[in-house]
Amino acid sequence: DAGVIQSPRHEVTEMGQEVTLRCKPISGHDYLFWYRQTMMRGLELLIYFNNNVPIDDSGMPEDRFSAKMPNASFSTLKIQPSEPRDSAVYFCASSYQSGLDYGYTFGSGTRLTVV
Amino acid sequence: SQQGEEDPQALSIQEGENATMNCSYKTSINNLQWYRQNSGRGLVHLILIRSNEREKHSGRLRVTLDTSKKSSSLLITASRAADTASYFCATSQTGANNLFFGTGTRLTVIP
Repeated sequence: DAGVIQSPRHEVTEMGQEVTLRCKPISGHDYLFWYRQTMMRGLELLIYFNNNVPIDDSGMPEDRFSAKMPNASFSTLKIQPSEPRDSAVYFCASSYQSGLDYGYTFGSGTRLTVV
Repeated sequence: SQQGEEDPQALSIQEGENATMNCSYKTSINNLQWYRQNSGRGLVHLILIRSNEREKHSGRLRVTLDTSKKSSSLLITASRAADTASYFCATSQTGANNLFFGTGTRLTVIP
């Protein structure tokens, strides 16, 4: 397996533009997580899915953020409109059975810069 | 919100020495996990210890867990320059289906 695949690796966009981050989890994993990492706040959980269904989106900072998982092999995180404070590294991770017995597998992340 | 706090925030040692990092957490847990993050990369799962376990080994890694003190430690023996990375503890809280990550320890191993 190629692991968790995220795209793009880097994204630079202007304030007000829409940004879409993509993630392909590991086949067979039933949980998918979106995290955001910044120097100030560390790793923050934004939202997670179980069997493609959003379970907890309490970490999504504002209505500008939305996430979907239309099938077991694809998820998107969208920011519309983007703001400079959204600049961060966004990670997608997947796991089998929520990580209670197994760890998470993380993607390489998308470094987002909003100017 | 962050669940774990690592200590120290940064650690610098010579190659061959042992490195010890500590993690404290706040609530009841199912398990505690340690991850490594190399600069510019994603986190990599290292080891998982369940709440009913006290010690676990994996290669040069040794993890201990003290649920009465709500703390864990990660020991890396005979460190190598390639161990230079940030190390995070993460807890699976009782009744929750996601991990909460600590603030991380930045380890530098000097060749």
